[in-house]
Amino acid sequence: GESVGLHLPTLSVQEGDNSIINCAYSNSASDYFIWYKQESGKGPQFIIDIRSNMDKRQGQRVTVLLNKTVKHLSLQIAATQPGDSAVYFCAESEANDMRFGAGTRLTVKP
Amino acid sequence: ETGVTQSPTHLIKTRGQQVTLRCSSQSGHNTVSWYQQALGQGPQFIFQYYREEENGRGNFPPRFSGLQFPNYSSELNVNALELDDSALYLCASLRGGGPVVTEQFFGPGTRLTVL
Repeated sequence: GESVGLHLPTLSVQEGDNSIINCAYSNSASDYFIWYKQESGKGPQFIIDIRSNMDKRQGQRVTVLLNKTVKHLSLQIAATQPGDSAVYFCAESEANDMRFGAGTRLTVKP
Repeated sequence: ETGVTQSPTHLIKTRGQQVTLRCSSQSGHNTVSWYQQALGQGPQFIFQYYREEENGRGNFPPRFSGLQFPNYSSELNVNALELDDSALYLCASLRGGGPVVTEQFFGPGTRLTVL
């Protein structure tokens, strides 16, 4: 069946560097994509979203890129900080069915 | 904090028992979704409630059922518990409930352990 997945399960970056977390999706009918951050012991926290009629959206220190041709989603975090250390999930949605990937653990080294 | 609360925080049950988990949605939100998150995995959609009716369901058996109340709070009930039901159960609330999913806010989850 179709699924959402992530290319790398772990990512380690130096404080101050930029981070890029990637996600592949396979449901071409998905029209809404979201990135979540989950810290230990907490529920997922919304970071940024993008609809299928866009290819880029920027927030504060974060940018989401959507490439529908190759069904690829990425999250860029600028000037990564220790507080950014967490597991990051991408999620895709068609209608009210939301599917999450397995997650990427981001570790920020001081 | 998202304004979404869940109770209890932790729960231990044995196989075959039944469990009820509770969720209070964020003020102004009329829709609640429930997710199961196994250790080391992403959340899996169980179902969504909108205006007290089920409004979509994931690939979960009928022993997973739910309710939504007039104040939009919600319950998740699981009957005949199995060991594989051990997970973090998350609820998320959002405003709407129509065909387009908008930003949803998650609670901290209930950690269920089935022995």
